[in-house]
Amino acid sequence: DIQMTQSPSSLSASVGDRVTITCRASQSISTFLNWYQQKPGKAPKLLIYPASSLQSGVPSRFSGSGSGTDFTLTINSLQPEDFAAYYCQQSHSTPPTFGQGTKLEIK
Amino acid sequence: EVQLVESGGGLVQPGRSLRLSCVASGFTFDDYAMHWVRQAPGKGLEWVSGITWNSGDIGYADSVRGRFTLSRDNAKNSLYLQMNSLRADDTALYYCAKGRLYASGTYQAAGDSFDYWGQGTLVTVSS
Repeated sequence: DIQMTQSPSSLSASVGDRVTITCRASQSISTFLNWYQQKPGKAPKLLIYPASSLQSGVPSRFSGSGSGTDFTLTINSLQPEDFAAYYCQQSHSTPPTFGQGTKLEIK
Repeated sequence: EVQLVESGGGLVQPGRSLRLSCVASGFTFDDYAMHWVRQAPGKGLEWVSGITWNSGDIGYADSVRGRFTLSRDNAKNSLYLQMNSLRADDTALYYCAKGRLYASGTYQAAGDSFDYWGQGTLVTVSS
């Protein structure tokens, strides 16, 4: 199975900051990488697929990039509603696998 | 509006069985792969099982293969997960999720993603 590793595991930032979360795959996955946001007590929500396409309704301050093994999720000008957990997931090979998550907290 | 509503969770003793259901609405159910993804308390997301639109391909995580069986009834817009020989480490919130790609030939085609999720049903395995 392909292992997905996110960094950092947690991150503190302020409203208005620009933050970057990294996801690394254990082998090349081309651009087949998705990002999800999960708020406490809620189901995950698809943000970006694969690697850089924004899901309908997702604000443009979210962006994704990368290919091969290294990917990034960038959030420009953090808003209060962006403080949540973020997960990457590869869809290059079965079984689909997730990163361990990054918790974005308010500083 | 796409809606996925899970049911069937509860408290069950180790070794017993449980059947989860997910009823879908707001999209053409028999055009898309469907999945179960679980999340243990305070932990991350773990894919459990997926099935193509026509039940032609079904996949399982190693942790559940041989114990869980996934099926769907397109006439009822429903997805089912039969869980047997339950263990304490199966304790989790189980989410039903829809595949994004139309009529994919495998349960997780390259480039697919989980574009809609239900609110989950909690399974607790404990004596």
